[in-house]
Parts: sequence; structure tokens; C-alpha cells
Amino acid sequence: QKEVEQDPGPLSVPEGAIVSLNCTYSNSAFQYFMWYRQYSRKGPELLMYTYSSGNKEDGRFTAQVDKSSKYISLFIRDSQPSDSATYLCAMRYNTDKLIFGTGTRLQVFP
Amino acid sequence: DAGVIQSPRHEVTEMGQEVTLRCKPISGHNSLFWYRQTMMRGLELLIYFNNNVPIDDSGMPEDRFSAKMPNASFSTLKIQPSEPRDSAVYFCASRRTRGGTDTQYFGPGTRLTVL
Repeated sequence: QKEVEQDPGPLSVPEGAIVSLNCTYSNSAFQYFMWYRQYSRKGPELLMYTYSSGNKEDGRFTAQVDKSSKYISLFIRDSQPSDSATYLCAMRYNTDKLIFGTGTRLQVFP
Repeated sequence: DAGVIQSPRHEVTEMGQEVTLRCKPISGHNSLFWYRQTMMRGLELLIYFNNNVPIDDSGMPEDRFSAKMPNASFSTLKIQPSEPRDSAVYFCASRRTRGGTDTQYFGPGTRLTVL
């Protein structure tokens, strides 16, 4: 079993829809949770960062962490075609080493 | 800032050949990470350095892989001899650990094809 599981998609939604992306993990020692966005043929870029449990909001993006269920989510409100990308969850415990999910490919069509 | 610079952007080689990938981290960043990305396995950490010292190389798949960081502004990942299963996109990322955040800044990647 992988430490971090993520549905690969693809997920295809119309413009304006609310998107929900999720990851589950098995290691309860993870404390730091991130979402990276990766456009085609580019490197990943950090989108959201959360420490421990709770919610964090940044514009149209909300990250949620539920440590009791070992489950993290990223919500995108009012999705735009420019949000079309692969979204990777990542997490770490008290080291520099990030463990990534395999990524969910999202397509937002006009 | 120019960001993380990787070269070459694309490499096509034949099985058995030596491949060297290069990375220049962002100036002032003292941590450097090498990743490999494939469809099947996603993004995997191969090795990372803090202050030019290798800290964790447990992700390096075999002895055919080696990485060096001779100074704060340059790192190489070498595969010798290369095999078709090494075909992947290799990313370098850098981060400032002192006074910085968890943000790892990724380069554009090197797309390696081994025939």
C-alpha cells in the first residue's frame, strides 16, 4: 500500500463548477500538508500549505485536513479553464522529505 | 530571479550510455532535491542535499544512479549505464530552509528517453 493515495482522474467539469480533490494517507506522523499544481510540461508549483488539521482558504481555493480520518481535500470554487492542470497532494512529517500523491488531472471546459 | 534552471530540457539516448542531468538552484537556497516523475509511480524523491551535503539518498533506485553537489549553485544527477526503464521526467527543486517556508521551487524538468 502506498503511503499517499490519490485518484488519478481525469476529472472533467464545466466552468463555474465546484471541484473537490482528495487524498488519503496511511502514516499518522504526517503533520504538514500541501497541494501542488502542475501544468502540462511544467514543474509543480505550491498552491496551498497547511499545518496539522483544519481549513485554510486562499481566494477560490480551500484546503482541508482531517487527521482523524487521514484525509485531505482541496476545493476549487468557480472553476476556470485556467485551472486545468494536474493537482498533486504532498505531505511530510518532521523531515524535509515530501511524499507526493500520483496527481489528479483536472480539465475545466468552457 | 531566474528560478531553478535545468539542462538539458530533453535527452534521448541509447541503452548503456551515460546520462548527466544538471541543475542550478535559486540563489540563496540551501536545500536541493532531485525527483523522478512517471505515469505509473508519480513524483518520487531520489535524493536531497542540505548545504551541499547529501542527507537522504534512499530513493536512488540503483547504484547506476549518482548525484553530486560540488557547490551551492550546481548539482548533477548521473545515470550510468542508462536503461529504458529510466525514461521519465527528472525534476530538480530548491528551497531555503533558514527563515524560509516549505515551498520547494521546481525547475522545468528534463525529459529523458532511453531507447
